[in-house]
Amino acid sequence: DIQMTQSPSSLSASVGDRVTITCRASQSASTYLNWYQQKPGKAPKLLIYAASSLQSGVPSRFSGSGSGTDFTLTISSLQPEDFATYYCQQSYRTPYTFGQGTSLEIK
Amino acid sequence: QLQLRESGPGLVKPSETLSLTCTVSGDSISSNSYYWGWIRQPPGKGLEWIGYIYYTGKTYYNSSLEGRVTMSVDTSKNQFSLKLTSMTAADTAVYYCARENTSWANYFDYWGQGALLTVSS
Repeated sequence: DIQMTQSPSSLSASVGDRVTITCRASQSASTYLNWYQQKPGKAPKLLIYAASSLQSGVPSRFSGSGSGTDFTLTISSLQPEDFATYYCQQSYRTPYTFGQGTSLEIK
Repeated sequence: QLQLRESGPGLVKPSETLSLTCTVSGDSISSNSYYWGWIRQPPGKGLEWIGYIYYTGKTYYNSSLEGRVTMSVDTSKNQFSLKLTSMTAADTAVYYCARENTSWANYFDYWGQGALLTVSS
């Protein structure tokens, strides 16, 4: 199985900050890497697919990059509604696997 | 607008079998471009992919569930289902159904709201 490791596991930031979350795969995931946002009590929401493609309706302050084993999610200017948990997920090989999550909290 | 909704018992006893159904509305489940999947999340923990089913009945399961999983599809009702046998407390989780878009990459673009399943006697 491809293991996905996110860093950091938690992060405190302020509104307006630029934030980067990293996801590392234990072996190549090519560009089959997706990012999701999850708020308490809600289902995950797709933000980025195929490493860098912005899902329809998602604000442009979200961006993704990377290929192979190293990927990043960047939020260019944090908004109050962005405080949530973020997960990466590889879909290159089954079983699909998720990172452990990054909790983004208000400083 | 596509919507998915899970339905199930809420509470299952240890050793029993879980049955969950996902009802899809707003589009046909019989599409070439999508798989229909199940993902679960234990309370306070991360996400685990369980498997997917295609409208033809083709399935793929996570081997970590060691043959306990069966998925089925009913295209006439626009539903797909999950059965998980020999339930234990470790299977307590929120179970999500989701659409996997396979157009040119693979990603979960629509999710149900989730169904909390508790295993307890």
